Amino acid sequence: QKEVEQNSGPLSVPEGAIASLNCTYSDRVSQSFFWYRQYSGKSPELIMSIYSNGDKEDGRFTAQLNKASQYVSLLIRDSQPSDSATYLCAVNTGTASKLTFGTGTRLQVTL
Amino acid sequence: GAGVSQSPSNKVTEKGKDVELRCDPISGHTALYWYRQSLGQGLEFLIYFQGNSAPDKSGLPSDRFSAERTGGSVSTLTIQRTQQEDSAVYLCASSPGSGIDQPQHFGDGTRLSIL
Repeated sequence: QKEVEQNSGPLSVPEGAIASLNCTYSDRVSQSFFWYRQYSGKSPELIMSIYSNGDKEDGRFTAQLNKASQYVSLLIRDSQPSDSATYLCAVNTGTASKLTFGTGTRLQVTL
Repeated sequence: GAGVSQSPSNKVTEKGKDVELRCDPISGHTALYWYRQSLGQGLEFLIYFQGNSAPDKSGLPSDRFSAERTGGSVSTLTIQRTQQEDSAVYLCASSPGSGIDQPQHFGDGTRLSIL
């Protein structure tokens, strides 16, 4: 079983819609969770972090964490074509601060 | 510069050669990480440096891989006797500290191709 799992996609949503990206993790002691956006050929860019159960909102982005279900998600409201990218979920289990990444979900926002 | 700087951006070399990849972290960041991203794969942790502590080398795939960090700043990742399976993008990240709430910021990576 992979430590961090994401649906590879592509997830296709129309412009203006809400994109919902999901991630599950296997290590119950995981403490911090990050979402990175990666454009093709570029490096990952941090867009959200979340540490406590519940929702965290930043502009059009909302991260949701449910530690009991070992589930973290990212909602993108009013999706734009510029949001088209691969979204990486990363989990810190508290061991030496290294991150464990999922393989990413490719999001396509269509006109 | 304001961000993590990596060089070279691209490296093509023949199988069996040694390569050195360089990372210059964000000024003031004490933690430095190396990851590898193979085509279609997630990022794979390689090694982590925090201040003057002994590095966490648990992710290095073989003894052909080594890394050092001089003066608590610049780091070099060395791959000896390169193999074709070493072809990947090597990403360096830094963070202000080593706490679990310290976000990691990535450089643009070095794309390594082994012929």
